[in-house]
Amino acid sequence: EPEVTQTPSHQVTQMGQEVILRCVPISNHLYFYWYRQILGQKVEFLVSFYNNEISEKSEIFDDQFSVERPDGSNFTLKIRSTKLEDSAMYFCAKSSGRGNEKLFFGSGTQLSVL
Amino acid sequence: QQQVKQSPQSLIVQKGGISIINCAYENTAFDYFPWYQQFPGKGPALLIAIRPDVSEKKEGRFTISFNKSAKQFSLHIMDSQPGDSATYFCAASVTDSWGKLQFGAGTQVVVTP
Repeated sequence: EPEVTQTPSHQVTQMGQEVILRCVPISNHLYFYWYRQILGQKVEFLVSFYNNEISEKSEIFDDQFSVERPDGSNFTLKIRSTKLEDSAMYFCAKSSGRGNEKLFFGSGTQLSVL
Repeated sequence: QQQVKQSPQSLIVQKGGISIINCAYENTAFDYFPWYQQFPGKGPALLIAIRPDVSEKKEGRFTISFNKSAKQFSLHIMDSQPGDSATYFCAASVTDSWGKLQFGAGTQVVVTP
């Protein structure tokens, strides 16, 4: 399976600012996910995305978060107004199909909110 | 609510030894149990996975043991190597749950030469 590529690898932002994290490029994949990992803690599910729609989301994924696939390949996670507690490593993941739980994770974007 | 509990938090093992990591789950609907390996600065990578219809699965030096009645599963790393030094996460999910994995807290394994 090809790797999942994420950009940027590290992003620093001021509290209250909007950030967009990207998976790029992805082709021929339909199932995408965002997970996050606060430093020293477990990996947490945020959202799954299929056919340009959110399939499932966790309680963490509140109105400040949104996902889209704007150009058919890039898959983005937007945080509208960042908070200090949003500081974490954000991982994009993909799988080859629903019911195929074999997820492939990217290397992550380390988001630091100051 | 901690749906998947993992222990120990950390583990030091000598080269050639056996590393054992344990996980317990609460949700009886879980039917897929993967283990992920994570190196610093990298995303988790699928190592091995099991479904509840078998009690053991082996891939190379890595073995999952599964006890459905006890709602527990474990990872055994045989002949541990320094290159196995990483953080290991157990996880669980329900088939068709749209990739929603519930991860354990992770175990940092250090293999000494």
